[in-house]
Amino acid sequence: AQSVAQPEDQVNVAEGNPLTVKCTYSVSGNPYLFWYVQYPNRGLQFLLKYITGDNLVKGSYGFEAEFNKSQTSFHLKKPSALVSDSALYFCAVRGDSWGKLQFGAGTQVVVTP
Amino acid sequence: EAGVTQFPSHSVIEKGQTVTLRCDPISGHDNLYWYRRVMGKEIKFLLHFVKESKQDESGMPNNRFLAERTGGTYSTLKVQPAELEDSGVYFCASSQDVNSDRLGGYTFGSGTRLTVV
Repeated sequence: AQSVAQPEDQVNVAEGNPLTVKCTYSVSGNPYLFWYVQYPNRGLQFLLKYITGDNLVKGSYGFEAEFNKSQTSFHLKKPSALVSDSALYFCAVRGDSWGKLQFGAGTQVVVTP
Repeated sequence: EAGVTQFPSHSVIEKGQTVTLRCDPISGHDNLYWYRRVMGKEIKFLLHFVKESKQDESGMPNNRFLAERTGGTYSTLKVQPAELEDSGVYFCASSQDVNSDRLGGYTFGSGTRLTVV
């Protein structure tokens, strides 16, 4: 069965510092990996995806993620965090059918001025 | 283009009552999904409609949950009778086709926060 794990409930970072949100996955076959973000009172917004190709994927709002097959990880990164990046971040993997995503439990990011 | 709309945004009901959540997908999107996040845990898949047909309802927790999609447009998710463990945030998402799904082309609504007391 496909699954993802986000080991941190919350990540605290000062504005301007690098931000990393961790995600590990377990899949059978090739992984299709996604990151979504939820801002307060908003829906889940797509940030980026890994389907195939370069291991470093660039997405919206200056975020990027690195696919590491040997470590089965897909960590989300941003070189310099902004206060406006404070939100709930979800890692997801395609489930056992195209129409189904398997999400992690989410990581709350708090960026302090 | 209007996004995916869900209402109500919040609902507080007593145990044993009935609640109906509604989702209006983006016009023209054949695929509609329901997910929920319970108690700060992972977001879990509930079911998938293609037009008015249920493609996959493997995530529906029990027969207290009934989802419908009238005419392939909006969808409702009814919980009857509601239990305490049904509290959580219910998300709806839509996509144009399966290929959009593959590329992460879901559009999610802002969710309905359901509290059962």
